[in-house]
Amino acid sequence: DARVTQTPRHKVTEMGQEVTMRCQPILGHNTVFWYRQTMMQGLELLAYFRNRAPLDDSGMPKDRFSAETPDATLATLKIQPSEPRDSAVYFCASGLVVRVGFEVDGYTFGSGTRLTVV
Amino acid sequence: SQQGEEDPQALSIQEGENATMNCSYKTSINNLQWYRQNSGRGLVHLILIRSNEREKHSGRLRVTLDTSKKSSSLLITASRAADTASYFCATDAGWGSNYKLTFGKGTLLTVNP
Repeated sequence: DARVTQTPRHKVTEMGQEVTMRCQPILGHNTVFWYRQTMMQGLELLAYFRNRAPLDDSGMPKDRFSAETPDATLATLKIQPSEPRDSAVYFCASGLVVRVGFEVDGYTFGSGTRLTVV
Repeated sequence: SQQGEEDPQALSIQEGENATMNCSYKTSINNLQWYRQNSGRGLVHLILIRSNEREKHSGRLRVTLDTSKKSSSLLITASRAADTASYFCATDAGWGSNYKLTFGKGTLLTVNP
């Protein structure tokens, strides 16, 4: 089965350090989402892209977070500088949208990056 | 803010029983999706139901959608211990929200052997 690959699986870093999380979407998928999951807030949408173009990043703290799709096989989420409140599990998901508003099926999630900022 | 809200927050049943989880949402939707998440894992897509559909089946899963009430239900029949997980509904709110996919806080289902 095709998988969405996220690296690293776990990251512990000190406050103030830069963190880069990577996602390899499924080949052929044209839509990528980034979510953050915490016990308190649940699953929060940070940003998403279609055909590598950003559609919405209103859920992301713009002063410290950035998301990009350098090419069709890679999506990145960066936090600089990181803060303890950024500790969470970050998920990437990919899917195929064949025309506006029509997903072929649901989205495939990666296993997540568990980030701890101390 | 989350669009969908699941109910109940937690559900505990015996193996073999049916489990029903509900999802309510606030604005019109393009489609509604259900996902499962096992503890410490990523989410797994279960089923997608479009706004012009009323019911959909997949194996032991049955999903209904009532757009007039802005609600959906997920029924798992003949539950198994392996069905123990959190279940989330996610709504694609369509053109007005740029087809954002937002999740509720989930229902934690425990199936006791």
